[in-house]
Amino acid sequence: ELKVEQNPLFLSMQEGKNYTIYCNYSTTSDRLYWYRQDPGKSLESLFVLLSNGAVKQEGRLMASLDTKARLSTLHITAAVHDLSATYFCAVAQGAQKLVFGQGTRLTINP
Amino acid sequence: DAGVIQSPRHEVTEMGQEVTLRCKPISGHDYLFWYRQTMMRGLELLIYFNNNVPIDDSGMPEDRFSAKMPNASFSTLKIQPSEPRDSAVYFCASSPQGQTMNTEAFFGQGTRLTVV
Repeated sequence: ELKVEQNPLFLSMQEGKNYTIYCNYSTTSDRLYWYRQDPGKSLESLFVLLSNGAVKQEGRLMASLDTKARLSTLHITAAVHDLSATYFCAVAQGAQKLVFGQGTRLTINP
Repeated sequence: DAGVIQSPRHEVTEMGQEVTLRCKPISGHDYLFWYRQTMMRGLELLIYFNNNVPIDDSGMPEDRFSAKMPNASFSTLKIQPSEPRDSAVYFCASSPQGQTMNTEAFFGQGTRLTVV
């Protein structure tokens, strides 16, 4: 059974700082996704990572994938308040099923 | 496109009542997914459809839950009878080719269900 674990689950940081969220998964997969969720809102797709060594960047967020280590990271550079949200990684199991991590609640303080 | 549309946004019902959640996927998307989100269990896939046909319902918690997709533009998730432990946010999502290759699922706004 595929298990997906994120850490940390809660993260409070100051604006301007850098930090990394980790996503570990237990079995081989060919796709990993990062989503953002604002309080009371839906999930917004951020990145799709398909291959070992894949790196994608959008603004202050950068995601990477190491399929050998079964690890993905979401790196935040020079955080700003607007990035406060809950971030989920999700790993594909089989053709269609996504298994989500617990989510990381990120709070960025001025 | 308006995105995935779910209704109602909020539902409060009494234990034992029937609850029906509705979803309109993005036009042209072949796959539709129903997820449930709770604090305790996080996000769980309940069931998904391909071209209106249920493909995997292994995530449906028990027989009280049922889902249908009578046509490409409409799906329902029904709970009967509802129980307090069914309280959660239910998300519908759709995808143009399933979650394969470079595609991702687009989520609706969710229905917050409270069973009292």
